[in-house]
Amino acid sequence: EIVLTQSPGTLSLSPGERATLSCRASQSITSSSLAWYQQKPGQAPRLLMYDASSRATGIADRFSGSGSGTDFTLTIRRLEPEDFAVYYCQQYGSFPLTFGGGTKVEI
Amino acid sequence: QVQVVQSGAEMKRPGASVKVSCKISGYTFTDLSIHWVRQAPGKGLEWMGGFDAEDGEIINAQRFPGRVTLTQDTSTDTAYMYLSSLRSEDTAIYYCTTDGFYAWGQGTLVIVSS
Repeated sequence: EIVLTQSPGTLSLSPGERATLSCRASQSITSSSLAWYQQKPGQAPRLLMYDASSRATGIADRFSGSGSGTDFTLTIRRLEPEDFAVYYCQQYGSFPLTFGGGTKVEI
Repeated sequence: QVQVVQSGAEMKRPGASVKVSCKISGYTFTDLSIHWVRQAPGKGLEWMGGFDAEDGEIINAQRFPGRVTLTQDTSTDTAYMYLSSLRSEDTAIYYCTTDGFYAWGQGTLVIVSS
């Protein structure tokens, strides 16, 4: 099973600042099969990125993803008030599919 | 656009079973891979298993040995997740998701309590 470790656990920032979230895998992820999700309280997760660096439909271009192998990054270029949420990474390169523990981006 | 609607909240006793449904619309049901993810209160996301439309296989997470059964009814475009031998740790919101995890249901809260 691929274990995903996200850091930091909590990121305290202000609107307009840049957020950099990390996701490290316990082994190399096949074909950069890594996704990022945003989740707000009381809501289902929302797909932001897939294949490590492709934005999902309707996602603002201030969100970007990068990385390969075992190290991946989600960057939010300039935080908007609606971006304060919990972010999860997920690998879908091999079963079982696994999620990271999440990074909370707070004001 | 794929739409996903799940069944309502459930309260169960320990040892009981629960069946959560997931109705899909807006896409050809048989072309979709459907996965189940749960989230315990205040915790992260946990993949439970899924149906892979490409090879027609159902794959369950190993951490639910013999307790999870995933089925699909193509006549009603509905997927089901059946979880047996419930314990308090199974209290969670259960989500079904499809279309490459792009479309999610609203979640079904399952509470297991005596």
